[in-house]
Amino acid sequence: GAVVSQHPSRVICKSGTSVKIECRSLDFQATTMFWYRQFPKKSLMLMATSNEGSKATYEQGVEKDKFLINHASLTLSTLTVTSAHPEDSSFYICSARAPSGTGGWAEAFFGQGTRLTVV
Amino acid sequence: GQQLNQSPQSMFIQEGEDVSMNCTSSSIFNTWLWYKQEPGEGPVLLIALYKAGELTSNGRLTAQFGITRKDSFLNISASIPSDVGIYFCAGRSNQGGKLIFGQGTELSVKP
Repeated sequence: GAVVSQHPSRVICKSGTSVKIECRSLDFQATTMFWYRQFPKKSLMLMATSNEGSKATYEQGVEKDKFLINHASLTLSTLTVTSAHPEDSSFYICSARAPSGTGGWAEAFFGQGTRLTVV
Repeated sequence: GQQLNQSPQSMFIQEGEDVSMNCTSSSIFNTWLWYKQEPGEGPVLLIALYKAGELTSNGRLTAQFGITRKDSFLNISASIPSDVGIYFCAGRSNQGGKLIFGQGTELSVKP
């Protein structure tokens, strides 16, 4: 299957600072990437859909000024958590949708996730 | 909004036993996916289903897309310790390609 790499895998930051998380599709071009948040023992909650070259589409209740998404190329999307607070601590996961023909699927493949801890 | 109900929430089984979990929805999906997630990792796609009634296998895993398009099940045969993890179903309708995830089934396998 297609490979999606997410970096960093873990980050600890001080309250009030900003953190950038990168999501890269390594062997395919992804016009669409998705960002999720996951709480312990819970399901994945879609935060936003990131489209290359255009503004991200945010889900209801997700603050777009706090969670900045940039999808500047077909292989890279970034999520920046601005002015982070302890309640932003969570597991953030990206996925990239492969075009039809990649492994026969046009499905979303997930990155490894980023564990963010705000202290 | 759309919701998926996944059950059971957790299972504790003996190595060698078969496992079955399912997802139901109040609305129709045109794609059903099954993922496995291990601690500290992102979900890994196990099986993708695209047609109502479709039955697909991947090794010891078998999944089916329900005829009504509102449900899917995943079976694991002859479980082994490395099957441990959280299994998620996900469905997609025609709404912008977004995936809707079930609540997950946490599987524990006792050697």
